[in-house]
Amino acid sequence: QSVLTQPPSVSGAPGQRVTISCTGSSSNIGAGYDVHWYQQLPGTAPKLLIFDNSNRPSGVPDRISGSKFGASASLVISGLQAEDEAEFYCQSYDSSLSDFVFGTGTKVTVL
Amino acid sequence: EVQLLESGGGLLQPGGSLRLSCAASGFTFSNYAMSWVRQAPGKGLEWVSGLSGSGGSTHYADSVKGRFTISRDNSKKTLYLQMNSLRAEDTAVYYCAKQAAGKAYYFDYWGQGSLVTVSS
Repeated sequence: QSVLTQPPSVSGAPGQRVTISCTGSSSNIGAGYDVHWYQQLPGTAPKLLIFDNSNRPSGVPDRISGSKFGASASLVISGLQAEDEAEFYCQSYDSSLSDFVFGTGTKVTVL
Repeated sequence: EVQLLESGGGLLQPGGSLRLSCAASGFTFSNYAMSWVRQAPGKGLEWVSGLSGSGGSTHYADSVKGRFTISRDNSKKTLYLQMNSLRAEDTAVYYCAKQAAGKAYYFDYWGQGSLVTVSS
């Protein structure tokens, strides 16, 4: 059972901006642990998209950004493109569970 | 180029055992902690188990503790997951994932996954 909560789906037209929230608690994000984001295209393995709340690995475009505030985090995709259609997961660490924890996942649909 | 290649998945009955392997290349394997993450059909990601670069420190999710054993052979650059007493709810694609450097708590590279199906 996921301890990080995300909206099941978000959608937007090409060129628009969408935001995905990730809500945790005082034992994970709220405890100061960083948030990381992964993109999973259909039928493929997850790919690191954002690490340490707001950093992009090489090759990830700057229209994708992340932020963290309190016990929550957000992923923003600006200038939405058809290739952005995928499932997105946030991830952190939980000190009560002593486990890595993932969000429930959000499906992004480009209208 | 970092590559992780899982193998060993398959179909087996409840109560059975299976060992997954993950062959690594493109980085100094012994320097990095590694994990197994699984994804049940149509579901989200679940961290299963992880171990340090030396293999001396291991961690397990409660859902697999006592049934699964993670290990590594640094000379062969290979990560393993021994799965015993398998249950239907263990059915999933199992990914091996490399943890980023140092105390980083995220996964910078993933394998393509190996499907394990537990069914009678």
